[in-house]
Amino acid sequence: EVVMTQSPATLSVSLGERATLSCRASQSVDSNLAWYQQKPGQAPRLLIFGASTRATGIPVRFSGSGSGTDFTLTISNLQSEDFAVYYCQQYNNWPLSFGGGTKVEIK
Amino acid sequence: EVQLLESGGGLIQPGGSLRLSCAASGFTFSSYTMTWVRQAPGKGLEWVSTIYGDGGYTYYADSVKGRFTISRDNSKNTLYLQVNSLRAEDTAIYYCAKGVGNSGYTNYFDYWGQGTLATVSS
Repeated sequence: EVVMTQSPATLSVSLGERATLSCRASQSVDSNLAWYQQKPGQAPRLLIFGASTRATGIPVRFSGSGSGTDFTLTISNLQSEDFAVYYCQQYNNWPLSFGGGTKVEIK
Repeated sequence: EVQLLESGGGLIQPGGSLRLSCAASGFTFSSYTMTWVRQAPGKGLEWVSTIYGDGGYTYYADSVKGRFTISRDNSKNTLYLQVNSLRAEDTAIYYCAKGVGNSGYTNYFDYWGQGTLATVSS
């Protein structure tokens, strides 16, 4: 089983600044890594797949990088609508698995 | 427009059963894997189960194996999750989610329903 670990658990960032979120896999998942955003009371929304490809309609301020075991989601020029919880998910191995999430809050 | 609409949640006693449904529209249902993901109150996302397009392959999390059964009716564009022997720790919002294909590394999710809440309590 691949365990996904996200850090930090909470990230306090000011509007307009950059947020850097980390996701680590307990074994290699190649580039089979997705990122989701979830706002309170809403379903998750796909942001990134293939570790670095933005999903349809996702602003360019969201970028993903990494491969193997270490991945990063970067949100540049944070907007008010970006404050949310972010999850990574590996789809390289069964069982599929999510990280525990990083909450991005207003500083 | 892709739409996923879950139903079937509710308050159920420990040991009880529920059948969750997810009605899909706006895409060729049989051509995509479908997945159930749950979220306990205030907690993170947990993958539960996936079924491939023709229903021939199914996968389960260890936490639900032997108690939950995923199925689909492609003629009705509907996904199901039969949940038996419910425990308090099964209390969660259950989301259905659409995969992006039906082979290879396609088990990430481009569309999600709004979820249905199952509460297990006496």
